[in-house]
Amino acid sequence: DTGVSQDPRHKITKRGQNVTFRCDPISEHNRLYWYRQTLGQGPEFLTYFQNEAQLEKSRLLSDRFSAERPKGSFSTLEIQRTEQGDSAMYLCASTLGGSTDTQYFGPGTRLTVL
Amino acid sequence: QKEVEQNSGPLSVPEGAIASLNCTYSDRGSQSFFWYRQYSGKSPELIMFIYSNGDKEDGRFTAQLNKASQYVSLLIRDSQPSDSATYLCAVMRNRDDKIIFGKGTRLHILP
Repeated sequence: DTGVSQDPRHKITKRGQNVTFRCDPISEHNRLYWYRQTLGQGPEFLTYFQNEAQLEKSRLLSDRFSAERPKGSFSTLEIQRTEQGDSAMYLCASTLGGSTDTQYFGPGTRLTVL
Repeated sequence: QKEVEQNSGPLSVPEGAIASLNCTYSDRGSQSFFWYRQYSGKSPELIMFIYSNGDKEDGRFTAQLNKASQYVSLLIRDSQPSDSATYLCAVMRNRDDKIIFGKGTRLHILP
């Protein structure tokens, strides 16, 4: 257990539905990252926050995706109008934020879109 | 050229032998390098990080970094069946501190 938690661990939804995932980072960590990972691939960067500010958003993140970190603590990732191609493991990681810092990953949320 | 490249494998190594995993990266200014282990269906877990040229040893694991060749490797000595997993190489880009992952190398330790 790295200290990063994610909820839910598994989500099955029908195409077109909205889903929201939550990540609770290690409490003193300033940076929080979201990644998506599909079978046989490494994690792909989606977005990251420095405290409550969203610093960058990947081109992978279409307009259907939105992420927030309202108080600089937990973060949510929402996918609207889900598509089958959204099926993946969604990983959250946190760091203190230094240039030589290491990321600690949560257990992930596995999304299946039927 | 992909930012972080790894051979996808599978790499099969007899139990007790040394497993050698390799990774190359394209951003010459990168300063921080990480190796993660990922079991099937689980999230990545950090094994080692390395910042300086040369070798860094931790138990059965040795990370090697050669910035001139833009090459980082992981050696696993006395390989155990429990080492069978996918090993992800990750590199922190200098210009924005973003961590980029390779696709991973599947390692299979043969009992």
